[in-house]
Amino acid sequence: QSVLTQPPSVSGAPTQRVTISCSGSSSNIGDNAVNWYQQLPGKSPRLLIYYDDLLPSGVSDRFSGSKSGTSASLAISGLQSEDEADYYCAAWDGSLNGPVFGGGTKLTVL
Amino acid sequence: EVQLVESGGGLVQPGASLRLSCAASGFTFSSYVMHWVRQAPGKGLEYVSLISSVGGTTFYADSVKGRFTISRDNSKNTLFLQMASLRPEDTAVYYCTRGTGTVAGSRLDPWGQGVLVTVSS
Repeated sequence: QSVLTQPPSVSGAPTQRVTISCSGSSSNIGDNAVNWYQQLPGKSPRLLIYYDDLLPSGVSDRFSGSKSGTSASLAISGLQSEDEADYYCAAWDGSLNGPVFGGGTKLTVL
Repeated sequence: EVQLVESGGGLVQPGASLRLSCAASGFTFSSYVMHWVRQAPGKGLEYVSLISSVGGTTFYADSVKGRFTISRDNSKNTLFLQMASLRPEDTAVYYCTRGTGTVAGSRLDPWGQGVLVTVSS
């Protein structure tokens, strides 16, 4: 059972917009930055969003992040087939005194 | 180009030990927090361990605490993970990754290609 809770799967048709939620608590999301990672099939994860809503260089602006209270969200607009991947949220947890990942969400592009 | 290359994985029996290495290049290794993250077959990412830039601060997930030891050799730009008393549930791909920012706010980028550790009799 992950400390951060994500839906196991989401899906959407090409060009649509989807969101992936990440629910935590005051000891993690509520008090620390949230980062998002994308893992394409058979590949290593890559940083997608950091400090809640910032995009690393080279990441498409179709990806966006937000946070409110103890929850965070990743939004993907203009869905493309190459977006099919697993997405993970992560944050530091002050109670555990260490970082934690969400369980991951598999995105299927219909 | 920033690069992280893991090595040292393989098939071992339960109770055995193994040491993973991660060779870093393309950046000032001694300035960064370094991390190990693992992924069991078909499962999600699981945080394993981190070490601060000069090695003074470490963190271990409860699942590996007391069995795994993280270390680094800044003179050789190399990160290590010494794994002892290995269990079948330690079977996973182990990724080395660089942390940027504070220890608590580290974003992990980039990630190595990963190395497979299989614990089985």
